[in-house]
Amino acid sequence: GAVVSQHPSRVICKSGTSVKIECRSLDFQATTMFWYRQFPKQSLMLMATSNEGSKATYEQGVEKDKFLINHASLTLSTLTVTSAHPEDSSFYICSAPPGGQGRSYNEQFFGPGTRLTVL
Amino acid sequence: AQKITQTQPGMFVQEKEAVTLDCTYDTSDPSYGLFWYKQPSSGEMIFLIYQGSYDQQNATEGRYSLNFQKARKSANLVISASQLGDSAMYFCAMRERPSSGAGSYQLTFGKGTKLSVIP
Repeated sequence: GAVVSQHPSRVICKSGTSVKIECRSLDFQATTMFWYRQFPKQSLMLMATSNEGSKATYEQGVEKDKFLINHASLTLSTLTVTSAHPEDSSFYICSAPPGGQGRSYNEQFFGPGTRLTVL
Repeated sequence: AQKITQTQPGMFVQEKEAVTLDCTYDTSDPSYGLFWYKQPSSGEMIFLIYQGSYDQQNATEGRYSLNFQKARKSANLVISASQLGDSAMYFCAMRERPSSGAGSYQLTFGKGTKLSVIP
């Protein structure tokens, strides 16, 4: 099956620093990737849709300048949390639908997630 | 209104017994897809089963089956012969057609049900 990887799996940083999280599709091309955030004991909330070659689409209430998304290639999307604060501590998960490459849009694969802790 | 409702915050089931996890959804789109994911304590999202709105038969995948009642807008997950490894959070999710017409098929998740399998 398709594989989506994320790096790093866990990061601890000081308040005020920026953190970059990478999401890669390993065996398929992904023109679209999704970034979700999950607080402890809560559900996944969509933050933004990353589009290769164009600007990301952010969900209501998500600060574009704080959560920078760059979809540099068909296999890589990055999420940068700028000037991180303790309230940004969360589990960040990316996903990608491999539709249109012999696979159905009925499949959607998730990365293993990145646990961010801001001190 | 919530698009995906999971009314059971927690469920217990005896090992080797069957268990049903409830999910109701709300959409006016005639074309949609319903997903179930398992999230163990490690955080990864594991795809279990998919049901399309036009599918005539209930989806099945090994020990997982989806009880799809379209008129009631419910898509309950049935796990047969529960195993200790089934203890995890379970999320129901829905994908609707994007309003923009572009290929962004993001998922909307329910709040999840924590399943605990008792030896």
